[in-house]
Amino acid sequence: EVQLVDSGGDLVQPGGSLRLSCAASGFTFSSYWMSWVRQAPGKGLESVANIKQDGSEKNYVDSVKGRFTISRDNAKSSLYLQMNSLRAEDTALYYCARGNNLDFWGQGTLVTVSS
Amino acid sequence: DVVMTQSPLSLPVTLGQPASISCRSSQSLVSSDGHTYLNWFQQRPGQSPRRLIYKISNRDSGVPDRFSGSGSGTDFTLKISRVEAEDVGVYYCMQGTHWPRTFGQGTKVEIK
Repeated sequence: EVQLVDSGGDLVQPGGSLRLSCAASGFTFSSYWMSWVRQAPGKGLESVANIKQDGSEKNYVDSVKGRFTISRDNAKSSLYLQMNSLRAEDTALYYCARGNNLDFWGQGTLVTVSS
Repeated sequence: DVVMTQSPLSLPVTLGQPASISCRSSQSLVSSDGHTYLNWFQQRPGQSPRRLIYKISNRDSGVPDRFSGSGSGTDFTLKISRVEAEDVGVYYCMQGTHWPRTFGQGTKVEIK
């Protein structure tokens, strides 16, 4: 059974940093692109970043470029999102999802940016 | 960015009746590999999104056959043949052809 478990969300002050993790199981992690998607409270869905199977290609939505870094550890079947210079508008539930077309999703981890 | 426009944004439906959601993209979703990466997701209250349909009309495993997808180019539709109580939630279309992946605004399906 495919499982994605998101963790690392927290309350952080504006300008702060946070690292999200996603632990994958039930499939060959190294064979899939992986993605991060976020959902602000009461709002719709927004793709944040994705990463190729071997980590050689990464894409970011413009609003997080230069502040967020997506990475992966295939040996640990884990996906990460390093978030720096956090802003209030980054407040959201962050989901990891499998593939470019998001066939499986984690349960989400809540990031709140507030003073 | 590709803009995905859904309609309606709110859809009250009687149990057992059909429902239809439209999704239009601001540019063609036909990829260089010839596939059209148009997906539909269901988000039930308090839950993570779940993919229902991929590449316009292919149902994911475990998705009831009352859900169907159709369309081409820039115009797509999700249909529920007979709405059941468990179908309540928000439905999103998403294009997976261009980066960034973009979603429609969401259509809230509720029971009348």
